[in-house]
Amino acid sequence: QVQLVQSGAEVKKPGASVKVSCKASGYTFASYAMQWVRQAPGQRLEWMAWISAGTGNTKSSQKFQGRITITRDTSASTVYMELSSLRSEDTAVYYCARDLGGGWFDPWGLGTLVTVSS
Amino acid sequence: DIQMTQSPSSVSASVGDRVTITCRASQGISSWLAWYQQKPGKAPKLLISAASSLESGVPSRFSGSGSGTDFTLTISRLQPEDFATYYCQQADSFPYTFGQGTKLEIK
Repeated sequence: QVQLVQSGAEVKKPGASVKVSCKASGYTFASYAMQWVRQAPGQRLEWMAWISAGTGNTKSSQKFQGRITITRDTSASTVYMELSSLRSEDTAVYYCARDLGGGWFDPWGLGTLVTVSS
Repeated sequence: DIQMTQSPSSVSASVGDRVTITCRASQGISSWLAWYQQKPGKAPKLLISAASSLESGVPSRFSGSGSGTDFTLTISRLQPEDFATYYCQQADSFPYTFGQGTKLEIK
């Protein structure tokens, strides 16, 4: 079955960077784009970025421009999201989710908790 | 950015009730709308895409309707497993945006 396995929880200091991985299985990796969405405690879901697993083209929210890098390794069926210059407001659960093609996401990974604290 | 506003923010209902959740977009998005269910500590689950297309495996008591700016998610005959938070999401244009969520609680 289609599965997205994310890397484990991270604790970072303000100003540091974090890199979260998302390994896909159960489907042809290059045939679908991947999205990154985050959810701060008690907050709504927030779309961050998109990557075409086939071409590597990316799109990200202007809110994160200059701080976010999305990459993929087709040989490992894995996408990565790196967020730099972390601040306390970046404390959230970060999800990867497969884009079905219409801009809707299924399935989602289990999420990676990133805590930013001094 | 397109703003998505859900109402109500929370609703209490009983098993067997019918519940309707509304989602309004700040500009027309045709049928580029999805609905998700999220349970505490879990990832969201896609229920409906393209405003009214039920995803495989999702019970038929869930239905979606609407186009343009106004959309609804209806759950007929609530079951205990339906108590969760529901989000709408527009897929018309980047950045994709979500509603603030509607928490469905047991009365």
